[in-house]
Amino acid sequence: DTAVSQTPKYLVTQMGNDKSIKCEQNLGHDTMYWYKQDSKKFLKIMFSYNNKELIINETVPNRFSPKSPDKAHLNLHINSLELGDSAVYFCASSLFGENYGYTFGSGTRLTVV
Amino acid sequence: SQQGEEDPQALSIQEGENATMNCSYKTSINNLQWYRQNSGRGLVHLILIRSNEREKHSGRLRVTLDTSKKSSSLLITASRAADTASYFCATPPKAAGNKLTFGGGTRVLVKP
Repeated sequence: DTAVSQTPKYLVTQMGNDKSIKCEQNLGHDTMYWYKQDSKKFLKIMFSYNNKELIINETVPNRFSPKSPDKAHLNLHINSLELGDSAVYFCASSLFGENYGYTFGSGTRLTVV
Repeated sequence: SQQGEEDPQALSIQEGENATMNCSYKTSINNLQWYRQNSGRGLVHLILIRSNEREKHSGRLRVTLDTSKKSSSLLITASRAADTASYFCATPPKAAGNKLTFGGGTRVLVKP
């Protein structure tokens, strides 16, 4: 039983297209996150939702729009894809609070050509 | 810039040897966490050490935390080929709530 599942695992698309990545967790966590990992393995937080409310919104182009229909789901929609958007995107979840670890999904490798 | 920075960036050891990696961070923290990432996979939470703890163990893992030096170390004892992975430290800076900030990772290769 997958705890945090992301779809799709791989996404290859052309510049200018719009795409979505979906994430679901079955851990009963109330907080979910999107992270971007670049080719040098640096992980950077993009967004976080707590009980469907946006609580972290880092400096991310407004072409990226997260949506959380309920606390078990967090989707990421990207408009007008650019070459620089190519990366691995990770969804994660946790309980809200300072002393909880995250559970990560297996990632979505996005390649923009 | 990254809140946490791991050292070394890469480490190659023989199976059975110990692997030690360090993490330095910049701001005050409530806890520090270590994660493992196998190639092509997501990150797996290994251990969380709170700011009032100095040492913590989990199986073959030993983590230390020195808040006066703003540093932590992760020791993997009796390494196995399956320990080959990237290891990241992560901190939620105080007043940043749930936001975990990751270092750049240490790539560990355990040769059989």
